[in-house]
Amino acid sequence: NAGVTQTPKFQVLKTGQSMTLQCAQDMNHNSMYWYRQDPGMGLRLIYYSASEGTTDKGEVPNGYNVSRLNKREFSLRLESAAPSQTSVYFCAGRTGTTDTQYFGPGTRLTVL
Amino acid sequence: DQQVKQNSPSLSVQEGRISILNCDYTNSMFDYFLWYKKYPAEGPTFLISISSIKDKNEDGRFTVFLNKSAKHLSLHIVPSQPGDSAVYFCAAEETSGSRLTFGEGTQLTVNP
Repeated sequence: NAGVTQTPKFQVLKTGQSMTLQCAQDMNHNSMYWYRQDPGMGLRLIYYSASEGTTDKGEVPNGYNVSRLNKREFSLRLESAAPSQTSVYFCAGRTGTTDTQYFGPGTRLTVL
Repeated sequence: DQQVKQNSPSLSVQEGRISILNCDYTNSMFDYFLWYKKYPAEGPTFLISISSIKDKNEDGRFTVFLNKSAKHLSLHIVPSQPGDSAVYFCAAEETSGSRLTFGEGTQLTVNP
């Protein structure tokens, strides 16, 4: 089992460029999540998908969109990147509502 | 508003001694609490959890204590080892919900 995988690992964008961060899991997770981690601010939830076919906003959704392509895949899109979106992005999945969330290794994004 | 707070950004202890990491929360609807550990360039990994019906949960060297009246939880690591050096995140959720709220994290350094 690969667990939760994320691509790419690193990315540098210019202001205004767009990109999609990919996340896939092979752990049969029902719920999937996108977080960003910034110094001194912990992990903040951007969007989540409680089940296949549903998505909901988290704490900091502005500037992002998501797609739950199927049960395995949950992508995060930045339509017009801004320097404030420079961060480390983590995808996570969980099977049941109180089960452990399993995290991917992260994508380090820099927006110039 | 920050519903889960870790007021100590960093903690340094000697190998073999006890490490105590603290976390406070404000949302009285939270009834499930978790600690995650994060090494550099990796995703967070689950460490230990506690339900609000308990006041203590132990797993090897790790013990989590919950004081519901004070809305406070703590993680004790005894004895501390250099390999425990990492960022520790406290997280909380309502079991009826599907999302975690994380604290800012505490960088623990265990000196040999």
